[in-house]
Amino acid sequence: DSGVTQTPKHLITATGQRVTLRCSPRSGDLSVYWYQQSLDQGLQFLIQYYNGEERAKGNILERFSAQQFPDLHSELNLSSLELGDSALYFCASSEAATHYEQYFGPGTRLTVT
Amino acid sequence: GQQLNQSPQSMFIQEGEDVSMNCTSSSIFNTWLWYKQDPGEGPVLLIALYKAGELTSNGRLTAQFGITRKDSFLNISASIPSDVGIYFCAGLPNTGNQFYFGTGTSLTVIP
Repeated sequence: DSGVTQTPKHLITATGQRVTLRCSPRSGDLSVYWYQQSLDQGLQFLIQYYNGEERAKGNILERFSAQQFPDLHSELNLSSLELGDSALYFCASSEAATHYEQYFGPGTRLTVT
Repeated sequence: GQQLNQSPQSMFIQEGEDVSMNCTSSSIFNTWLWYKQDPGEGPVLLIALYKAGELTSNGRLTAQFGITRKDSFLNISASIPSDVGIYFCAGLPNTGNQFYFGTGTSLTVIP
């Protein structure tokens, strides 16, 4: 158990819909990262937040957005969902902006039908 | 963007054999991380490397930060069935804040 929690574990929704994925980092970690992993693919970095502020942005679509709240939990919002958005979405956390050992949550499996 | 080339793509080995895999980049990296992922689960951090030439062990696993800062290596000694999984490298370039992940090495250990 990494100490990072993600909810829900599974999510099935229809094209065009909007969903919110939630992540709670390890106790004491200030950075949260979001990744997308499609079937048999590697991990694609989406976005990083540090202490409530966006720190780095990867290949995140405009239909996707995220935020980190004062209690340090983070949410990833996916809108206008397409079939190709079906994937595992992982959240990871690390101690600080410059301490890069990232600990991953169990992931949310999103299926868009 | 940056690309991390990880090789081999897959390995099939006998239990007890040693394993070597590597990760290379086209540019200089400041940090290398190695992860193991079981199907449907989140990656688990194995080893973190922060200095060129650094050699770090975690049980039967040993990883090295290449002296050119463009590569990293992971070795597993005396493999056992529970070593089965996908091993990912991840790196942070010396410019920018974005981590990049390799494409993974799938390891199968035959008892």
